[in-house]
Amino acid sequence: AQTVTQSQPEMSVQEAETVTLSCTYDTSESDYYLFWYKQPPSRQMILVIRQEAYKQQNATENRFSVNFQKAAKSFSLKISDSQLGDAAMYFCAYRGNTNAGKSTFGDGTTLTVKP
Amino acid sequence: EAGVTQSPTHLIKTRGQQATLRCSPISGHTSVYWYQQALGLGLQFLLWYDEGEERNRGNFPPRFSGRQFPNYSSELNVNALELEDSALYLCASSFYAGATDTQYFGPGTRLTVL
Repeated sequence: AQTVTQSQPEMSVQEAETVTLSCTYDTSESDYYLFWYKQPPSRQMILVIRQEAYKQQNATENRFSVNFQKAAKSFSLKISDSQLGDAAMYFCAYRGNTNAGKSTFGDGTTLTVKP
Repeated sequence: EAGVTQSPTHLIKTRGQQATLRCSPISGHTSVYWYQQALGLGLQFLLWYDEGEERNRGNFPPRFSGRQFPNYSSELNVNALELEDSALYLCASSFYAGATDTQYFGPGTRLTVL
């Protein structure tokens, strides 16, 4: 079974600085997809970024980028120029082709942004 | 474009009762997914419906059930409620294309069991 581990329950960053959130996963599949979701206090889960495992190039969305290391099964999220609105819980998620329809989530990392 | 909607926002029940939660997917999406998020934890996969059929379910007892209607909206029913069923229930939708599609989430229903 696939597992996703986020080893940092809480992180904090100063406004305008950079922070990296860690995620590791375990799978025997070769083709899969990885996601980072943001859940602010409003509870709405928002997709931040996604990465296809077959792509070597790391995904980037504006201030958000990932460091995808397939061999190490690592998928970290880097937030540059942190803003107060980035404060939220961040979840790493995995989707593969077995166990169709299911996304497997980590337990989340709570990010605090200090002004 | 309207996002995924869920109702009610909050639901309070007592042990042994039944709860019904509702979800309307994004227009054009045929798949609906249900997840349970206990306080402070990650999401646990409950059920997946596509084209009116249950396609997969997570490791939850049979008292968690649901259905998908012809308009692709969905209901989640929880029978014989237990205290540990208290959680945020999130619905997501997608146009299923295998693992490649992205699930878009609704705001959730907070279920409290007293």
